Amino acid sequence: KQEVTQIPAALSVPEGENLVLNCSFTDSAIYNLQWFRQDPGKGLTSLLLIQSSQREQTSGRLNASLDKSSGRSTLYIAASQPGDSATYLCAVNGSSNTGKLIFGQGTTLQVKP
Amino acid sequence: DTEVTQTPKHLVMGMTNKKSLKCEQHMGHRAMYWYKQKAKKPPELMFVYSYEKLSINESVPSRFSPECPNSSLLNLHLHALQPEDSALYLCASSQGRALYYGYTFGSGTRLTVV
Repeated sequence: KQEVTQIPAALSVPEGENLVLNCSFTDSAIYNLQWFRQDPGKGLTSLLLIQSSQREQTSGRLNASLDKSSGRSTLYIAASQPGDSATYLCAVNGSSNTGKLIFGQGTTLQVKP
Repeated sequence: DTEVTQTPKHLVMGMTNKKSLKCEQHMGHRAMYWYKQKAKKPPELMFVYSYEKLSINESVPSRFSPECPNSSLLNLHLHALQPEDSALYLCASSQGRALYYGYTFGSGTRLTVV
């Protein structure tokens, strides 16, 4: 059974700092991994999608890496801003039949001005 | 249009009421999903529709009844809910079964059962 873990559960940093969020999964047989952002009480906004054959994806100040063999992904946020404050969720898609996403518990990020 | 639109944004209903949640997308996606998210927890899959047919029901109680009238619309009919069903209900879609294309989520419906 696939399990997804995110560390740390919460993180508080000063504005301008570079930071890394971690995601690990127990079954390396995945099709892709997706990072989402969720603001309080809101829906999920897709940040980056990494296919199992890819090593990394970049979008603006965000860079996500994937090491499928070791079951790990990281989300790197450069030059953090207060507007980056949110909960970040990683989710793996490991099933060819259901398309079911398995989510981690999330990392709640606070960027202080 | 690259959005999944959910209505209403907020809903308060009594335990004897019948209500429906609506989800709409115009991206040509052929898979649509309902997820339930309790406070401070990750989303959990409820239902999957693929090409307008129900393909996955994650053992959801029958008081939740999904419907997919056409390829752009997904409904979730609610009846005789319990207070513990209060949660954020998220709709999502993907081009296929998200093997290659990823998910697009809506902004959710905040449901409170009183």
